[in-house]
Amino acid sequence: DAGVIQSPRHEVTEMGQEVTLRCKPISGHNSLFWYRQTMMRGLELLIYFNNNVPIDDSGMPEDRFSAKMPNASFSTLKIQPSEPRDSAVYFCASTRGPNTGELFFGEGSRLTVL
Amino acid sequence: GENVEQHPSTLSVQEGDSAVIKCTYSDSASNYFPWYKQELGKRPQLIIDIRSNVGEKKDQRIAVTLNKTAKHFSLHITETQPEDSAVYFCAASTLNRDDKIIFGKGTRLHILP
Repeated sequence: DAGVIQSPRHEVTEMGQEVTLRCKPISGHNSLFWYRQTMMRGLELLIYFNNNVPIDDSGMPEDRFSAKMPNASFSTLKIQPSEPRDSAVYFCASTRGPNTGELFFGEGSRLTVL
Repeated sequence: GENVEQHPSTLSVQEGDSAVIKCTYSDSASNYFPWYKQELGKRPQLIIDIRSNVGEKKDQRIAVTLNKTAKHFSLHITETQPEDSAVYFCAASTLNRDDKIIFGKGTRLHILP
């Protein structure tokens, strides 16, 4: 398996623009997580899904952020409108399912908002 | 919700010496405690984990200890080598309730020659 695949790897955009980050979990994995990593705040859990259903989105910073998982092999994280403070590395990760523990991370999407 | 505190934020040790990183958690229901290593520019990867039914687990030069009463757990790296230089994250989760895995803020470990 190719592992968790994220795109784009790097995104530079201007304040106010819409940003869409994409993730393909490992085939057969039933849980998917979005994390944001910054120097100041470390790895913050934004939202996670079990069997394509959002379970907990309490970490989503504000209404500008939204996430979807229309099927078992694809998820998106959207920021609209983007702001400079959204600049971070966004990681997607998946696990085989509830109670299995180990997170498999993608390579991350580095977002810079000017 | 769960809160994980990690110390120190930066740690420098001489090559060959031991390194210890400590974490505390707040939710007494947490029962799964993984440790991840992140090399510069790379993704975090699991290096060892422990479940609440054991107090210690070892894997070659790496060991993790868990004190459920005090709600803290530690990572021990012995005979450190240059390739151990990285950022290490502890985390806590409650398997069988939800899958939220909450991370500490990380420890940047420098191995000095």
